[in-house]
Amino acid sequence: DAGVIQSPRHEVTEMGQEVTLRCKPISGHDYLFWYRQTMMRGLELLIYFNNNVPIDDSGMPEDRFSAKMPNASFSTLKIQPSEPRDSAVYFCASSGDREYSPLHFGNGTRLTVT
Amino acid sequence: AQSVAQPEDQVNVAEGNPLTVKCTYSVSGNPYLFWYVQYPNRGLQFLLKYITGDNLVKGSYGFEAEFNKSQTSFHLKKPSALVSDSALYFCAVRDAGGGSQGNLIFGKGTKLSVKP
Repeated sequence: DAGVIQSPRHEVTEMGQEVTLRCKPISGHDYLFWYRQTMMRGLELLIYFNNNVPIDDSGMPEDRFSAKMPNASFSTLKIQPSEPRDSAVYFCASSGDREYSPLHFGNGTRLTVT
Repeated sequence: AQSVAQPEDQVNVAEGNPLTVKCTYSVSGNPYLFWYVQYPNRGLQFLLKYITGDNLVKGSYGFEAEFNKSQTSFHLKKPSALVSDSALYFCAVRDAGGGSQGNLIFGKGTKLSVKP
């Protein structure tokens, strides 16, 4: 099992550019989560999917953020246009369908917007 | 509303000594409780969980945690700390029967530093 795979590991972009972060969850997991981690705000849930359907996107900070899950093995988080305050580490995680199923995290994408 | 608190931003321990990382929680029903560890430049990694049953839960790397319902706590412990245990530790709680995978609440994290 390769675990949750995120790409790229690092992304440096200029303000105003579009950024796309990618995630491949663990095969067979029904849930996929996008989190953002910063020193100031800690770990924040942005959005999560169940069986490829977005369930709760209340954590998405603005309309500049969007997420899709076109199939069970791929998800994207897009920021357009990006701003310096979006600089953070973005994590994707997946889990099984039990309430007590632990989350399995990818190694994250470190985004720097200059 | 659910909440979880990790009262210590940092815990310093000498190698070989026992360690405790504290966590308290608040849920309306019964809790599912989790501990995760994060090493530098890595994602969070699951350590252990409490669902029901025995209050002492054993997990990876020699860690264990004790569920205390009366004190609403779930402290992480290890009898003998290793330098390699130095990392960021997160406690998380979900209301059992809450009906949503999205209602997992993470604490702010405790940085554990183990000195040789």
